[in-house]
Amino acid sequence: DQQVKQNSPSLSVQEGRISILNCDYTNSMFDYFLWYKKYPAEGPTFLISISSIKDKNEDGRFTVFLNKSAKHLSLHIVPSQPGDSAVYFCAADRQTGANNLFFGTGTRLTVIP
Amino acid sequence: NAGVMQNPRHLVRRRGQEARLRCSPMKGHSHVYWYRQLPEEGLKFMVYLQKENIIDESGMPKERFSAEFPKEGPSILRIQQVVRGDSAAYFCASSPSWDVGQYFGPGTRLTVT
Repeated sequence: DQQVKQNSPSLSVQEGRISILNCDYTNSMFDYFLWYKKYPAEGPTFLISISSIKDKNEDGRFTVFLNKSAKHLSLHIVPSQPGDSAVYFCAADRQTGANNLFFGTGTRLTVIP
Repeated sequence: NAGVMQNPRHLVRRRGQEARLRCSPMKGHSHVYWYRQLPEEGLKFMVYLQKENIIDESGMPKERFSAEFPKEGPSILRIQQVVRGDSAAYFCASSPSWDVGQYFGPGTRLTVT
């Protein structure tokens, strides 16, 4: 049962343009959401997170938007750079002490120079 | 401050052998998590441990898999009598407490021949 879904396995964007990665979840108990970036042969690296009490969080070129009613979040990267090319995973957590992350299947972003 | 360390990075085992995967958390982190990533899938939670205690093992297969995090030394994920379906990347993450983000290691890629 995939509780966190990333329906686009890949995305290609021109350098300098905006990249939008999408994520949907089904479990209404999730109240904390994270984006991780992963390069081949490396572990996921934390990028940005958002709590369910907010609908937007921004960190430099990265902004995460949360729509709780639609159970949807998105990551915006602007402007996109070739070094952003990686697999991006969306993850969700229930801050109840259980503390295991539920990951989506990832979206491979390719930024074309 | 060294990051999360995992060894070995690559492990090849024949069917029926045992696999031992090690994880040294970041300094000051007493919470350890193990995840498995099968080919073309996202990371799946396996187990969450604190020093000498298993907190949540809801993602662990019922047989052949075990995990420990002793008072001294690294956390160990042990897979007995490996089968081809165990071939995957196994990631360890650590955090200083349950409500703080997890930092991932580079993973151990297990191949069962």
